Amino acid sequence: KQEVTQIPAALSVPEGENLVLNCSFTDSAIYNLQWFRQDPGKGLTSLLLIQSSQREQTSGRLNASLDKSSGRSTLYIAASQPGDSATYLCAVSGNTPLVFGKGTRLSVIA
Amino acid sequence: GAGVSQSPSNKVTEKGKDVELRCDPISGHTALYWYRQSLGQGLEFLIYFQGNSAPDKSGLPSDRFSAERTGGSVSTLTIQRTQQEDSAVYLCASSNRDRDNEQYFGPGTRLTVT
Repeated sequence: KQEVTQIPAALSVPEGENLVLNCSFTDSAIYNLQWFRQDPGKGLTSLLLIQSSQREQTSGRLNASLDKSSGRSTLYIAASQPGDSATYLCAVSGNTPLVFGKGTRLSVIA
Repeated sequence: GAGVSQSPSNKVTEKGKDVELRCDPISGHTALYWYRQSLGQGLEFLIYFQGNSAPDKSGLPSDRFSAERTGGSVSTLTIQRTQQEDSAVYLCASSNRDRDNEQYFGPGTRLTVT
């Protein structure tokens, strides 16, 4: 059974810092890995999708990497801003459509 | 274009009543998914529809839960004889073609069972 773990559970950083969020999964037989953002009381916004054959994806200040063999992904956020404050969720698609981690709650302090 | 929409946004019901939650996927998306987000459990998969294939119901927690998708578009999730532990946010997502593709989520329905 696929299990997804995200570390840290919560993170607080001053504005302008670069930061890394970590995601690990137990079964490397995945189709893809997706990073989402969730604001309080809202639905999920897709940030980046990495196919199993890919190593990384970039969108603006965000860069996500995937090492399928070791079961790890990282989300790198450059020059963090207060508007980046949210919960970031990692999810992998395999035999079950999406298995989610419990998320990292990020606070960027102005 | 329009994203995934869900209705109602909030639903309060009494224990033992049946509820129906609706999802309108992105036009043209053939795959539709239901998930549940609760405080103790995080986000968990419930059911997956792909085109005219039989749905993957492996995530449904009990036989009180069922879902249908009419005409390959709108989907309804039904919970019969609701229990307090059914209180959660129910999220719907859709994707183009199949599970290899990016999933787009609706805003969710917050269900409270009193």
